[in-house]
Amino acid sequence: DQQVKQNSPSLSVQEGRISILNCDYTNSMFDYFLWYKKYPAEGPTFLISISSIKDKNEDGRFTVFLNKSAKHLSLHIVPSQPGDSAVYFCAASAIYPWAGNNRKLIWGLGTSLAVNP
Amino acid sequence: DAGVIQSPRHEVTEMGQEVTLRCKPISGHDYLFWYRQTMMRGLELLIYFNNNVPIDDSGMPEDRFSAKMPNASFSTLKIQPSEPRDSAVYFCASSPSPEAYGYTFGSGTRLTVV
Repeated sequence: DQQVKQNSPSLSVQEGRISILNCDYTNSMFDYFLWYKKYPAEGPTFLISISSIKDKNEDGRFTVFLNKSAKHLSLHIVPSQPGDSAVYFCAASAIYPWAGNNRKLIWGLGTSLAVNP
Repeated sequence: DAGVIQSPRHEVTEMGQEVTLRCKPISGHDYLFWYRQTMMRGLELLIYFNNNVPIDDSGMPEDRFSAKMPNASFSTLKIQPSEPRDSAVYFCASSPSPEAYGYTFGSGTRLTVV
């Protein structure tokens, strides 16, 4: 039962255009969301995050939007560059009182983005 | 800093054998996490340590899996006996805090159990 869903396994866009990666979640306890980027044969690297008290966070070409009522977040990359080609993971964080109040991070399965020159 | 160092990068072993994966975290990072990545389940947290003490091992799939952190600069994840369904990429990550934006992942160990 995936609490964090990335319904598009892959996405292909043209260089210079906008890339939009989507993520849906089911657990209303999530209060912090993150996007990670992963190149082949490397570990994921942190890209951008957003707290549940915000609906937008921007860092250069990357913007994350959060719609809490829809339990949906998206990552926008503008403009897309060939170097952005990677797998993008959405992750959501919550404190689980029944698990010793430990904060847990739940990951989506990832979306593979290909930016074509 | 060389980042989080994992070894080996690739491991192929026969079913029933013991497998040990190793991780050297970034110096000064008090948190160490072991993750497993599969196509079907994505990234799953197996266990994490704070100051060398295991805090949450609820993700460890079964007793065949064990993890240790004897000191601040070294951790192991052991599978004994290994099974084909353990085939996955295992990542180690370290962080100065439990907050996920601080995670630095290693390059992973690709384990294949035949």
